[in-house]
Amino acid sequence: EAQVTQNPRYLITVTGKKLTVTCSQNMNHEYMSWYRQDPGLGLRQIYYSMNVEVTDKGDVPEGYKVSRKEKRNFPLILESPSPNQTSLYFCASRFGHNYGYTFGSGTRLTVV
Amino acid sequence: AQTVTQSQPEMSVQEAETVTLSCTYDTSENNYYLFWYKQPPSRQMILVIRQEAYKQQNATENRFSVNFQKAAKSFSLKISDSQLGDTAMYFCASTPYNNNDMRFGAGTRLTVKP
Repeated sequence: EAQVTQNPRYLITVTGKKLTVTCSQNMNHEYMSWYRQDPGLGLRQIYYSMNVEVTDKGDVPEGYKVSRKEKRNFPLILESPSPNQTSLYFCASRFGHNYGYTFGSGTRLTVV
Repeated sequence: AQTVTQSQPEMSVQEAETVTLSCTYDTSENNYYLFWYKQPPSRQMILVIRQEAYKQQNATENRFSVNFQKAAKSFSLKISDSQLGDTAMYFCASTPYNNNDMRFGAGTRLTVKP
């Protein structure tokens, strides 16, 4: 089945403890992105990638890191999470600029 | 950078009726793509419809259609014969040609009433 797989689906962590949210797609998509969703703000882009080893900052990159060493994987890293990073996170992928995204199921992150 | 504005935080419609959700955007690009996504209570994001800015013909997908007004930078979504399963958050999005910078609006929460 064609899909974007994110893990974990739910995560509660403490301030300052490094964490990684994994994202993998099996559709051979070039483009991948990370978004965070907050009430009243919609989806805001954190980072995006147009190919292996090519990443760009989105609207809200502060406090996040990404890497694209393989086409299928695009992990999101929070080196030192803070409570203002509590949010719903989505990974997404697509073939190219004229296609819509396929989204993962989301990761609900709570930082206490 | 592009911006996308959805001015209706919440809307409701009776089952079987028609509803239109508004979206305006701002971009300096000549070529770009516009999308509507649906997010039901399951929180899964689902692509509803897509429009290429250089095509004047409005996109249609079954009960979903758009009214694309390029000069006004408006991209509204019309849902005909509304069904209870259409209850969801709806997000409008824009992305430039040959770029992966896709921006979303704040969303409109649609409730379909029986």
